[in-house]
Amino acid sequence: NAGVTQTPKFQVLKTGQSMTLQCAQDMNHNSMYWYRQDPGMGLRLIYYSASEGTTDKGEVPNGYNVSRLNKREFSLRLESAAPSQTSVYFCASSEVFLGFSQPQHFGDGTRLSIL
Amino acid sequence: AQKITQTQPGMFVQEKEAVTLDCTYDTSDPSYGLFWYKQPSSGEMIFLIYQGSYDQQNATEGRYSLNFQKARKSANLVISASQLGDSAMYFCAMREAYGGSQGNLIFGKGTKLSVKP
Repeated sequence: NAGVTQTPKFQVLKTGQSMTLQCAQDMNHNSMYWYRQDPGMGLRLIYYSASEGTTDKGEVPNGYNVSRLNKREFSLRLESAAPSQTSVYFCASSEVFLGFSQPQHFGDGTRLSIL
Repeated sequence: AQKITQTQPGMFVQEKEAVTLDCTYDTSDPSYGLFWYKQPSSGEMIFLIYQGSYDQQNATEGRYSLNFQKARKSANLVISASQLGDSAMYFCAMREAYGGSQGNLIFGKGTKLSVKP
């Protein structure tokens, strides 16, 4: 009963390095999301994928790219990491995109530090 | 303008007592959903309870209930009989059907609840 699985759980990068955060869900959900959580800021949406084959920008997309590899997997890439991207990253999924009654189910998060 | 406001950065409650966490929201969309999530110190986000804008009754899930006052645009979370394991951050969130958030969740900044033994 995994739900949403994120890898890695922790990562330290140097400024300018690149990396990809992986996310997979086993609930057959259509929609997937990437958030970042900074102290005192709540969660902010980076990118989302309403359905397989589509991706769109959220509130804070600069410096990130995403790929919806298939229905299960949605990855987040930092091409050239910056200290301002130090944060906790959450992946989430929901059954459908439209439909305001659908909760989003979250992974356990990735703690990313950029030096 | 903030769409979700949680005015209590931190709260304390005695074990076994009830506690209310405040949440007010702002939307012109007639169709929306309100959600509460719990984030313990281990970091995961746990979905607790949902209230729809058209729901006539307040939502309840075990010890959690939502005091929904639509005219006042408030959706306060009530936790009855607090337990030590309830110590966590609590986030209120909203999802609009047609608003500018494009169906995505908008989060408040959270309230840190500490339960005292």
